[in-house]
Amino acid sequence: DVKVTQSSRYLVKRTGEKVFLECVQDMDHENMFWYRQDPGLGLRLIYFSYDVKMKEKGDIPEGYSVSREKKERFSLILESASTNQTSMYLCASSLPGEGGRPQHFGDGTRLSIL
Amino acid sequence: AQSVAQPEDQVNVAEGNPLTVKCTYSVSGNPYLFWYVQYPNRGLQFLLKYITGDNLVKGSYGFEAEFNKSQTSFHLKKPSALVSDSALYFCAVRRNFGNEKLTFGTGTRLTIIP
Repeated sequence: DVKVTQSSRYLVKRTGEKVFLECVQDMDHENMFWYRQDPGLGLRLIYFSYDVKMKEKGDIPEGYSVSREKKERFSLILESASTNQTSMYLCASSLPGEGGRPQHFGDGTRLSIL
Repeated sequence: AQSVAQPEDQVNVAEGNPLTVKCTYSVSGNPYLFWYVQYPNRGLQFLLKYITGDNLVKGSYGFEAEFNKSQTSFHLKKPSALVSDSALYFCAVRRNFGNEKLTFGTGTRLTIIP
């Protein structure tokens, strides 16, 4: 089975801090994704990556950046955390190509910005 | 642009009764459609997908979904609900070409009443 591991289940940070959320997958997937989940809004895509050192903006990239130096690891960075970035963050990975490969999700990081 | 609507925030069904969770979509061209389930404090788990072919697709845990192109719908169904089906359900869509960006609905909380 594919395993997507997010480094922290719960995280509390202060306004203005630089925050790193880490995600690792063990199935050699090319595609990796970062979402945030908010009640009533569903999942919204922040950034995604098709390959090492490649990244594309999703629907809500403002205030975030990403890093993918190795195929298995995709990091989400909050450059200067703000209270409106308090949310559940979900990482996912998938194989590329035809046929609509499903995304596999980690268990999420619940981030609180105080 | 692509979008998904899940018109019901909450669906309650008695155990043993059939259940339906509704989803309509909008996408350029032909769609790839997905259903995911989320249990408390967990990430999303893939249930089933429609790519092409038979309009009725079967997935995990006895769930199935019916693709209706004319109504742009992809409703999730199960003939006999179990209490363990209680969870948050997400519908998602993407185009069948180009980038693999998924757009999710806002989610429907399904509660099965014993």
